[in-house]
Amino acid sequence: AQRVTQPEKLLSVFKGAPVELKCNYSYSGSPELFWYVQYSRQRLQLLLRHISRESIKGFTADLNKGETSFHLKKPFAQEEDSAMYYCALTDTGRRALTFGSGTRLQVQP
Amino acid sequence: KAGVTQTPRYLIKTRGQQVTLSCSPISGHRSVSWYQQTPGQGLQFLFEYFSETQRNKGNFPGRFSGRQFSNSRSEMNVSTLELGDSALYLCASSLRQGGNYEQYFGPGTRLTVT
Repeated sequence: AQRVTQPEKLLSVFKGAPVELKCNYSYSGSPELFWYVQYSRQRLQLLLRHISRESIKGFTADLNKGETSFHLKKPFAQEEDSAMYYCALTDTGRRALTFGSGTRLQVQP
Repeated sequence: KAGVTQTPRYLIKTRGQQVTLSCSPISGHRSVSWYQQTPGQGLQFLFEYFSETQRNKGNFPGRFSGRQFSNSRSEMNVSTLELGDSALYLCASSLRQGGNYEQYFGPGTRLTVT
């Protein structure tokens, strides 16, 4: 069965510091990986997906199949990045999303 | 475009009762998925409906069911409520079937079972 692990419940950094939110997955096929974000009092929304290889709001994530990881990175954190971040994957059949437990990012001034 | 709407937003029920939650997807979206979010288990997939048919189902007991109407609106029903069913129930819509398409989430329905 597929599984997504986000080892950190809370990550606290200062404004301007680099950020790395960890995500590891277990799945034997070729998954598709996503990062979803939930800002305070807002809905869960898609941040980025690995196939698009985009940088959204300064965030990037590279799929490392050897390490089965999809870490989310940003070189310089901003206070408005404070939110709950969820890593998710779909299986080869592109069916249901499996979410990790989430990491709360707190960017302090 | 209006976003995904869910009604009611809050609900308190007693153990043993049944409950129906409603979800209206974004106009033009034909896929509706339901998720249960709890502090202990996180976000878990319940089921997905596309063109009025259940296309995928998560690992939940048969007490959890759903349906989709011809206008893509969806309802989920939980029968014989248990205390452990207390959760935030999220609905998400997307243009096409499958989790690989961007999911647009609603605000959720907070269900409390006493």
